[in-house]
Amino acid sequence: EAGVAQSPRYKIIEKRQSVAFWCNPISGHATLYWYQQILGQGPKLLIQFQNNGVVDDSQLPKDRFSAERLKGVDSTLKIQPAKLEDSAVYLCASSSPTRQISYEQYFGPGTRLTVT
Amino acid sequence: SQQGEEDPQALSIQEGENATMNCSYKTSINNLQWYRQNSGRGLVHLILIRSNEREKHSGRLRVTLDTSKKSSSLLITASRAADTASYFCATASGLSLNTDKLIFGTGTRLQVFP
Repeated sequence: EAGVAQSPRYKIIEKRQSVAFWCNPISGHATLYWYQQILGQGPKLLIQFQNNGVVDDSQLPKDRFSAERLKGVDSTLKIQPAKLEDSAVYLCASSSPTRQISYEQYFGPGTRLTVT
Repeated sequence: SQQGEEDPQALSIQEGENATMNCSYKTSINNLQWYRQNSGRGLVHLILIRSNEREKHSGRLRVTLDTSKKSSSLLITASRAADTASYFCATASGLSLNTDKLIFGTGTRLQVFP
């Protein structure tokens, strides 16, 4: 099966600019996650969708970050305006909680964002 | 916040040797998962162990879980250069299937020399 797709792979912007990332999960996966991974750290969950509804966005900086999953399939994550500390890899993952055996998540290749 | 703390932060071994990584966490969990991350393949799920399990095997991987000590270990036997990567433990402690979220640790960087 095709994996999680993300684009772009790399993005360089200046602070105060805006940027958007796109994710297409594995077909049939109802749950979609966005993570932020700062260099040298583990991924940190930003937002979790179940179909097109938000399940958890407690760690999403809502003053500058937004995310949507309008049709319950692909999703976009936006940062506006960007700050230097937003430089990180943004990972998208999906999982299928209807599977009773396990709840592993499948990750995309990530988008490396550099804010200058 | 990060729930898991991996130990050691970095590990260098020769091919053929075994590598052991440890993970400690703070709150009760439903399951604990180990992931590998390298530049070539991104973040990949390795193995999942449930809170009522004590040991699990998958190929050259062996995971143990001690819920009384809130700790887990990952053993890679007969390591290969291709095992060079960062390894993360991640805990799931949601109240329901649909709200289980993973909290990742800080990772162990493993270098395997040929």
